[in-house]
Amino acid sequence: DAGITQSPRHKVTETGTPVTLRCHQTENHRYMYWYRQDPGHGLRLIHYSYGVKDTDKGEVSDGYSVSRSKTEDFLLTLESATSSQTSVYFCAIRTGTGTYEQYFGPGTRLTVT
Amino acid sequence: AQSVTQLGSHVSVSEGALVLLRCNYSSSVPPYLFWYVQYPNQGLQLLLKYTTGATLVKGINGFEAEFKKSETSFHLTKPSAHMSDAAEYFCAVSAQNNAGNMLTFGGGTRLMVKP
Repeated sequence: DAGITQSPRHKVTETGTPVTLRCHQTENHRYMYWYRQDPGHGLRLIHYSYGVKDTDKGEVSDGYSVSRSKTEDFLLTLESATSSQTSVYFCAIRTGTGTYEQYFGPGTRLTVT
Repeated sequence: AQSVTQLGSHVSVSEGALVLLRCNYSSSVPPYLFWYVQYPNQGLQLLLKYTTGATLVKGINGFEAEFKKSETSFHLTKPSAHMSDAAEYFCAVSAQNNAGNMLTFGGGTRLMVKP
């Protein structure tokens, strides 16, 4: 257990509404990641962060923004949700220099109607 | 650029049979390789990893994988399947010069274990 929580765990929202997902870690790790999981695609990286206020885009960043104002929190925002953003969203952390694996949170299931 | 291909989106084995899940990768630089397992409605759990050194790596729950550079493969095996192994398995690669340590995942293989 890498001390990662995600909230909410489930959310249903309407097309065009803004949505923010939160990832919280308790162990002060520098790197944090947001992925989406869709059948047949595995997990695809949306954005990642390498420190407070330091973020970069991943493979599927269009339509998403992120913020990290504190080490422990990494927020993912869908400014105007679309049905194509219906997915399961996972947050992950990397535990430190010399280790390269990532540890994942429990996920948030988002449905956009 | 890097990519991962998992051959077979669904694999079915009988309890007690050999489990073989295939993973091939492409990477322009030496890779780090990982296998993750996902049980229903849960996050991903690290099974094992290859970074450097011994090419045969052992993980949790009796799984192991062998890094074969010449074949660009990292297949996952377990000698004897248990019912509890039924889950989805993901292979992932990260390049050694990857500043953000971003992982690229394969599409996943769902393992079904028949009694």
